[in-house]
Amino acid sequence: DQQVKQNSPSLSVQEGRISILNCDYTNSMFDYFLWYKKYPAEGPTFLISISSIKDKNEDGRFTVFLNKSAKHLSLHIVPSQPGDSAVYFCAADLMYSGGGADGLTFGKGTHLIIQP
Amino acid sequence: ETGVTQSPTHLIKTRGQQVTLRCSSQSGHNTVSWYQQALGQGPQFIFQYYREEENGRGNFPPRFSGLQFPNYSSELNVNALELDDSALYLCASSIDRSSYNSPLHFGNGTRLTVT
Repeated sequence: DQQVKQNSPSLSVQEGRISILNCDYTNSMFDYFLWYKKYPAEGPTFLISISSIKDKNEDGRFTVFLNKSAKHLSLHIVPSQPGDSAVYFCAADLMYSGGGADGLTFGKGTHLIIQP
Repeated sequence: ETGVTQSPTHLIKTRGQQVTLRCSSQSGHNTVSWYQQALGQGPQFIFQYYREEENGRGNFPPRFSGLQFPNYSSELNVNALELDDSALYLCASSIDRSSYNSPLHFGNGTRLTVT
């Protein structure tokens, strides 16, 4: 049973336009969310995060929006650049799991392709 | 600042064998986590080590075990390999046990193939 879902395996966007990647979660206990970016043959790299007390977090071209009632978050990239072509993973965590780590729960990823 | 390094990069083993994967944490990081990424899936949490003690474990059987050393480097051991253990194994280090205080820094992974 997947607790974090990324329903679009791939997304193609023209360079300069906005890329919107979506993520849904089922566990209402999750209170911290992260996006990771992964190039081929490399490990995932941290991009941006948001805690459940906020509904938006911005870092340069990247903005993450959180809708707790819908259990949905999205990553917006504006403007999209060729170097943004990668697999993007949404991940969720419990900030206070109370005794031992539960680790991050990842979605399956969305392959973003930026076309020139 | 050196990042997280993993060795080997690729490995082929036979079903029933044992394997050890190694990871050097990023400088200054005292926590290491291991993840398994099967083809077409997201990374799945195996366990976390903090100051040489296991600090949490995902839904993996006991034949998956680990160690963390005083210099915070780590090993992942898998006994009695099964075909389904074929995956990319990712090591990640962090300054703190909680992702809220410090994001995970991943290595490039070890690609394990079990035949």
